[in-house]
Amino acid sequence: GENVEQHPSTLSVQEGDSAVIKCTYSDSASNYFPWYKQELGKGPQLIIDIRSNVGEKKDQRIAVTLNKTAKHFSLHITETQPEDSAVYFCAARTNFGNEKLTFGTGTRLTIIP
Amino acid sequence: GAVVSQHPSWVICKSGTSVKIECRSLDFQATTMFWYRQFPKQSLMLMATSNEGSKATYEQGVEKDKFLINHASLTLSTLTVTSAHPEDSSFYICSGARQRGWPYEQYFGPGTRLTVT
Repeated sequence: GENVEQHPSTLSVQEGDSAVIKCTYSDSASNYFPWYKQELGKGPQLIIDIRSNVGEKKDQRIAVTLNKTAKHFSLHITETQPEDSAVYFCAARTNFGNEKLTFGTGTRLTIIP
Repeated sequence: GAVVSQHPSWVICKSGTSVKIECRSLDFQATTMFWYRQFPKQSLMLMATSNEGSKATYEQGVEKDKFLINHASLTLSTLTVTSAHPEDSSFYICSGARQRGWPYEQYFGPGTRLTVT
């Protein structure tokens, strides 16, 4: 089955600086890679996703890059703000009748004011 | 956006009793719903996948007779924890898959915190 590794497990960034979270996956058949933000006591919120036919996607301060050859994808948050503090999960999924997401282990991002 | 609600948001029950958690997709039809369990500071663990009108598919190690899942409509799925024990205390999160082209997008509910005393 798919295995997703996520690094780092914790990340502290000065407000205004950029944060980068990296994930690797094992199943070359995976073709959908969402990122979720989870605040304390809440469910995960989809913040951005990327499909295997795209190398990069941006949405305001958030961007995701995908390297299919190396089987890794990354989340980039620029101009970080205190409200960006949360746990971020990457995930991977194939689309061949099995729509189960495999999650990374999460990254606790803390923005230092 | 795609909104998924859960009810209740938290529940405390006594050991041996059963608890039902509802999951609703408010503004879309979820052909597939997923139930996850999350322990503190850990990732989400998939418990089961359910398609509307079909029996749920449980992940290995998840007791289907203990965690009863019903997906009666395209907007409602329920998880019943039967004969709950303290070790069942956890954060339960449901998710609905919205089919809008490819790929299916998956949206999560706010979670239900279950405490079994």
